[in-house]
Amino acid sequence: DAKTTQPPSMDCAEGRAANLPCNHSTISGNEYVYWYRQIHSQGPQYIIHGLKNNETNEMASLIITEDRKSSTLILPHATLRDTAVYYCIVRVYSGGGADGLTFGKGTHLIIQP
Amino acid sequence: GAVVSQHPSWVICKSGTSVKIECRSLDFQATTMFWYRQFPKQSLMLMATSNEGSKATYEQGVEKDKFLINHASLTLSTLTVTSAHPEDSSFYICSARDSKVSWNEQFFGPGTRLTVL
Repeated sequence: DAKTTQPPSMDCAEGRAANLPCNHSTISGNEYVYWYRQIHSQGPQYIIHGLKNNETNEMASLIITEDRKSSTLILPHATLRDTAVYYCIVRVYSGGGADGLTFGKGTHLIIQP
Repeated sequence: GAVVSQHPSWVICKSGTSVKIECRSLDFQATTMFWYRQFPKQSLMLMATSNEGSKATYEQGVEKDKFLINHASLTLSTLTVTSAHPEDSSFYICSARDSKVSWNEQFFGPGTRLTVL
């Protein structure tokens, strides 16, 4: 799986959009970008994933650059409950079998009241 | 979304004893489940992949005789930490993949905090 680079921590004001960057310059053509988050002392939670098109769901939006070397996760209206460690993971889609996830250090997002 | 449960949520045991942790997929079938370990202020590390009806696959450096994994049904996998020692104290998290979902999303359990005295 391609390596990802994320800032170790970020602050965001409550109610504002939180934009979390991720660099994955060695991503290959068949690798997807996945985002998970882990609230303190809980299991990780899936947020969103994408290949090359921008994606949006009820939780967030994922913007992937045209060269796919970086992406941004956007939480449109951050709340205090969004304080968590956010992990950007790049991996090959494996529809038949399945592989465990390789977690980096992630970004600790702190939402300020 | 799909729900994965773990039991117990926390456990304290004496050194040398064995501890069993259960991971259940509540509303879907999971042919594959994963076990992770997370030490304080560190990221999750994959320990093993558990496939229903077959032997688990362990990551390099994880002792299969110490961390026994059983995946006897499509909704249950168990991790037994045998002869636990204080260095095994950690947050153990399982995840499960829905067999019917074509892309590779994993659903995580809430974790089990193990403290070995």
